Amino acid sequence: RKEVEQDPGPFNVPEGATVAFNCTYSNSASQSFFWYRQDCRKEPKLLMSVYSSGNEDGRFTAQLNRASQYISLLIRDSKLSDSATYLCVVSRMQGGKLIFGQGTELSVKP
Amino acid sequence: DADVTQTPRNRITKTGKRIMLECSQTKGHDRMYWYRQDPGLGLRLIYYSFDVKDINKGEISDGYSVSRQAQAKFSLSLESAIPNQTALYFCATSAADGYTFGSGTRLTVV
Repeated sequence: RKEVEQDPGPFNVPEGATVAFNCTYSNSASQSFFWYRQDCRKEPKLLMSVYSSGNEDGRFTAQLNRASQYISLLIRDSKLSDSATYLCVVSRMQGGKLIFGQGTELSVKP
Repeated sequence: DADVTQTPRNRITKTGKRIMLECSQTKGHDRMYWYRQDPGLGLRLIYYSFDVKDINKGEISDGYSVSRQAQAKFSLSLESAIPNQTALYFCATSAADGYTFGSGTRLTVV
């Protein structure tokens, strides 16, 4: 079993839709949690860190449930430019090695 | 100039050849990483280094070696390339304030 698991998708949604991505991690010692975005096999770029209290950045909301070892990302009012692969990432220490899920592909259509 | 620079950007090589991928950084970070990405598998850690001369195996180190002779440089070698090492390779650095990825090296072994 992979340490970080995501639904690979693809998710095909119309513009304006709300879409939710889920992720589970198996190592309870994980300390840091992130969502990264990756476009067309370019380098991953940090979308947002994820905190137990939940955090929001514009149309994006991330949640962490440590008891269930579950991470989520909600995208509201999807834009064409949101089309990308979204990577769930954990780390066992701040600034330590990152462990990636396989990524969830999102395609937003007009 | 990019904070993390990978060379070459693209490379095609023959089975059995030795090849080196270079990574240099201007972030001043102590920690450096090499990942490979295959379709549908996310990024997997090959090797990482937390300081000069410090080398640690990652999830998939077989068939690879690395060298960290200076803080700013971390090179990845394939001693005898094989076709299943065809992949997209990313170098990354980290510190407590976050991670920075290079633009990737697309390697094809024929």
